[in-house]
Amino acid sequence: ELKVEQNPLFLSMQEGKNYTIYCNYSTTSDRLYWYRQDPGKSLESLFVLLSNGAVKQEGRLMASLDTKARLSTLHITAAVHDLSATYFCAVDIREYGNKLVFGAGTILRVKS
Amino acid sequence: DTEVTQTPKHLVMGMTNKKSLKCEQHMGHRAMYWYKQKAKKPPELMFVYSYEKLSINESVPSRFSPECPNSSLLNLHLHALQPEDSALYLCASSQGDAGFSGNTIYFGEGSWLTVV
Repeated sequence: ELKVEQNPLFLSMQEGKNYTIYCNYSTTSDRLYWYRQDPGKSLESLFVLLSNGAVKQEGRLMASLDTKARLSTLHITAAVHDLSATYFCAVDIREYGNKLVFGAGTILRVKS
Repeated sequence: DTEVTQTPKHLVMGMTNKKSLKCEQHMGHRAMYWYKQKAKKPPELMFVYSYEKLSINESVPSRFSPECPNSSLLNLHLHALQPEDSALYLCASSQGDAGFSGNTIYFGEGSWLTVV
């Protein structure tokens, strides 16, 4: 059974600080997605990582994928309050095609 | 336009009611999905349609009945639901065949369902 584990599950950080969210998964996959969800809202696509060593950056967020270690990271640089949200990683199971299995989510709170 | 539109946004229904959730996209996507999200939990896949045919049913109870009338529309028919079915129901779509992965999957705003 595929397991997708995120840590930490809750992260409280000060504005201006850096931090990393980790996503480990238990099966072979080279497709990993990061989503953001604001309270009461739907999922916003942040990154799609499609190969080993893939790195993508958007603003203060940078995501990377190491398929050999089955690990993805979401790095936050100089956090700002607007980044407060829940962040999910999701792994695509190849044999089913576009079946996303989500991690539990990381609740991020950036304090002013 | 990367929009997936869901209606209604909120639905309250009794356990004996029949209702439907609707989803529409005009991006030419050929794969469409229903996910269920309980409060403070991650989304869980329910159904996948590829080229208007059901390709994945994640052992969802028969009180949930999906329908894909055409390539732009996806419905979820609800009948005899239980209070534990109360959740956010998310529709999503992606380009290409659901057998090909790696495309961005776009989610709609969701339909908040309360079963009383």
